[in-house]
Amino acid sequence: DGGITQSPKYLFRKEGQNVTLSCEQNLNHDAMYWYRQDPGQGLRLIYYSQIVNDFQKGDIAEGYSVSREKKESFPLTVTSAQKNPTAFYLCASSARDNNQPQHFGDGTRLSIL
Amino acid sequence: AQKVTQAQTEISVVEKEDVTLDCVYETRDTTYYLFWYKQPPSGELVFLIRRNSFDEQNEISGRYSWNFQKSTSSFNFTITASQVVDSAVYFCALSRPLTGGFKTIFGAGTRLFVKA
Repeated sequence: DGGITQSPKYLFRKEGQNVTLSCEQNLNHDAMYWYRQDPGQGLRLIYYSQIVNDFQKGDIAEGYSVSREKKESFPLTVTSAQKNPTAFYLCASSARDNNQPQHFGDGTRLSIL
Repeated sequence: AQKVTQAQTEISVVEKEDVTLDCVYETRDTTYYLFWYKQPPSGELVFLIRRNSFDEQNEISGRYSWNFQKSTSSFNFTITASQVVDSAVYFCALSRPLTGGFKTIFGAGTRLFVKA
């Protein structure tokens, strides 16, 4: 079945540590996205990529980094510069036309140790 | 400014009641798209419906219906005869074109509790 796979489901970060969240899709979508979800704030866009080897900052990119070396993969690194990383992270993908809905993964819940 | 407002943070109903989730948006674009997504407890968002700014026809899909009114910048979602399985967080979203791509803005979500 086609879909988006995020791993791990739960992740714990120590102070000063970088952690990487995985996102893989087999939907043949060009565009991929990372969102952060905090209680009562909906989804906020961290980074997005419209095509391989290209990505753009979203609204809250500080303290995060991404890469898009393959069409199927869009990993997110939460760096030590992100001082408040505890949140639920959602990855999504879509066709590039803006009238296409996004398909979401099951999310990764990141907590501070 | 582009904005999506879901004023209802939480709604609680008893099974079989009808419930309407409100969504009000702000945009200066003439071409845009509106979406509703459902987020069950499992976490992933599930697409429900898409509407473009030129199509104000209301839509019904089973127990779900959507009322799009450009005059009031609203895109409300009604569940008829609600069921316990409808319990979830529902997000309204606005997608607008940007140079080289597009951007989707989500509302804060409305958490719906349906009690048996």
